[in-house]
Amino acid sequence: SQTIHQWPATLVQPVGSPLSLECTVEGTSNPNLYWYRQAAGRGLQLLFYSVGIGQISSEVPQNLSASRPQDRQFILSSKKLLLSDSGFYLCAWSQGRLYEQYFGPGTRLTVT
Amino acid sequence: KQEVTQIPAALSVPEGENLVLNCSFTDSAIYNLQWFRQDPGKGLTSLLLIQSSQREQTSGRLNASLDKSSGRSTLYIAASQPGDSATYLCAVMDSSYKLIFGSGTRLLVRP
Repeated sequence: SQTIHQWPATLVQPVGSPLSLECTVEGTSNPNLYWYRQAAGRGLQLLFYSVGIGQISSEVPQNLSASRPQDRQFILSSKKLLLSDSGFYLCAWSQGRLYEQYFGPGTRLTVT
Repeated sequence: KQEVTQIPAALSVPEGENLVLNCSFTDSAIYNLQWFRQDPGKGLTSLLLIQSSQREQTSGRLNASLDKSSGRSTLYIAASQPGDSATYLCAVMDSSYKLIFGSGTRLLVRP
């Protein structure tokens, strides 16, 4: 069966510090991968998606970036965090663009 | 621009009651609709996926319906239990293959 992992589970970072969140999927190959953010009082917002290694599409212009160095690894990064980057970050995968999406446990990021 | 609305925002029912959660969307050009459950501080759990050509899907005590032409979906939960307490999210996949989420219905099932 397939599983999706995210780490860290929680993170408190000062404004201006860098960020690296990691997501890995097990039990499948060549998945579509997604990064979402769920901010307090707002719905889920798609940030990035990837259909293959090195292929990243950005949905929202901001100071975040994503990379996919391996087939089942998806990384969300920032060089300098802003207060507005606080939120709950969720990684998801699917077999293809029209397939069911499965979500990871999430990372709670607080920027102070 | 696709917008997804879920009503009510919160719902409290006694255990054993059958209930219906509503989801509406503004653009009928969707590929599919997915219902999720989210427990506090946790990720999303996929409950049901309905393709645009389907009218309903069932899983255990859950039944989801889709009326694409009217832009509506309902999630029916039979014989509710305290363990069903969670936030339920509806999401539609729009014409650009993006999942657009509603803001959710927070359900409390009282013992």
